[in-house]
Amino acid sequence: KQEVTQIPAALSVPEGENLVLNCSFTDSAIYNLQWFRQDPGKGLTSLLLIQSSQREQTSGRLNASLDKSSGRSTLYIAASQPGDSATYLCAVGRGSARQLTFGSGTQLTVLP
Amino acid sequence: GAGVSQSPSNKVTEKGKDVELRCDPISGHTALYWYRQRLGQGLEFLIYFQGNSAPDKSGLPSDRFSAERTGESVSTLTIQRTQQEDSAVYLCASSSQPGASYEQYFGPGTRLTVT
Repeated sequence: KQEVTQIPAALSVPEGENLVLNCSFTDSAIYNLQWFRQDPGKGLTSLLLIQSSQREQTSGRLNASLDKSSGRSTLYIAASQPGDSATYLCAVGRGSARQLTFGSGTQLTVLP
Repeated sequence: GAGVSQSPSNKVTEKGKDVELRCDPISGHTALYWYRQRLGQGLEFLIYFQGNSAPDKSGLPSDRFSAERTGESVSTLTIQRTQQEDSAVYLCASSSQPGASYEQYFGPGTRLTVT
């Protein structure tokens, strides 16, 4: 059974800092990996998707890496801003349906 | 274009009643997923629809849960004889397949409270 773990569970940083969120998964037979953000009372916003054959993806101040063989992914956020405060979820897609298995998230607070 | 929409946004029901939750996927997306997020827990996969193929129901927690989808459009998740442990946010996602990235786009969710 696939298990996805995110560390840390919560993180508080001052504005402007660069930070890294970690995600690990137990079964490397994945199709893809998605990072999402979830704001309180809202749905999920897709940030980055990495296919299993890829090593990293970048979008603006975000960079996600994937090391499938070791079962790890990181989300790097550069020059953090208070608007980045949210819960960040990592999810791996597998199976014929490509259904996602989610981690429990990292709650990020960026202090002004 | 329009994203995934869900209705109602909130639903309060009494234990034992049936509820229906609706999802409108992004137009043209052939795949549709339902997930559940219970308080303090991660998201759990419930069911998957792909075109006219038989749905993947492997995540449904009990036979009180069922879902339908009409072609490649609207889906309805039905929970019969609701229990308090059914209280959760129910999220719907859609994806364009096959041959695409399988990136899933989520709706805002329906918050279900069973009293």
